[in-house]
Amino acid sequence: GAVVSQHPSWVICKSGTSVKIECRSLDFQATTMFWYRQFPKQSLMLMATSNEGSKATYEQGVEKDKFLINHASLTLSTLTVTSAHPEDSSFYICSAGRQGTDTQYFGPGTRLTVL
Amino acid sequence: TQLLEQSPQFLSIQEGENLTVYCNSSSVFSSLQWYRQEPGEGPVLLVTVVTGGEVKKLKRLTFQFGDARKDSSLHITAAQPGDTGLYLCAFNDMRFGAGTRLTVKP
Repeated sequence: GAVVSQHPSWVICKSGTSVKIECRSLDFQATTMFWYRQFPKQSLMLMATSNEGSKATYEQGVEKDKFLINHASLTLSTLTVTSAHPEDSSFYICSAGRQGTDTQYFGPGTRLTVL
Repeated sequence: TQLLEQSPQFLSIQEGENLTVYCNSSSVFSSLQWYRQEPGEGPVLLVTVVTGGEVKKLKRLTFQFGDARKDSSLHITAAQPGDTGLYLCAFNDMRFGAGTRLTVKP
């Protein structure tokens, strides 16, 4: 158990368009999901904490109007990169926490390339 | 800003050698996780440690949580090429260290 999926696994888009990335916990309920960004050869940088039924908590320096997060159910959180630019190209990874534990389970990531 | 320091950042060794990587923080945390990540994939959880001084073993990997719960180490015995990857530590607030990129050469 404890499988997290992400969709799409990769996406290429033109500058100025918006891209939505989905994160789903397939076999458990997750009240909290985390969104990360990872540049090549670097570690994961926490972008925001997504709480089911409430507003996301963004890390310092992350623009909430650019990276829209919606956590509408206990199994789904979405990250929308609005008006994407080439500098937004990165590997975006989500994780979901199983209720009652400290353990986070990671999705396989979404590679975004903005041309 | 990374609150966790990992060392070394890069490590390249021959198959069969032993190695230790470290994760340090100035803060005390209730738990710590170690992950391994391969290129193009999400991190995979290796272990969670919660008790100061705790030692956990996973085959050739030995994890230790410091007595003060501010630091941790991961020791790999007789490394194999399949151990190659990015090793990441994270405290319970889900912020990651910079990672140690390990390459084990056959």
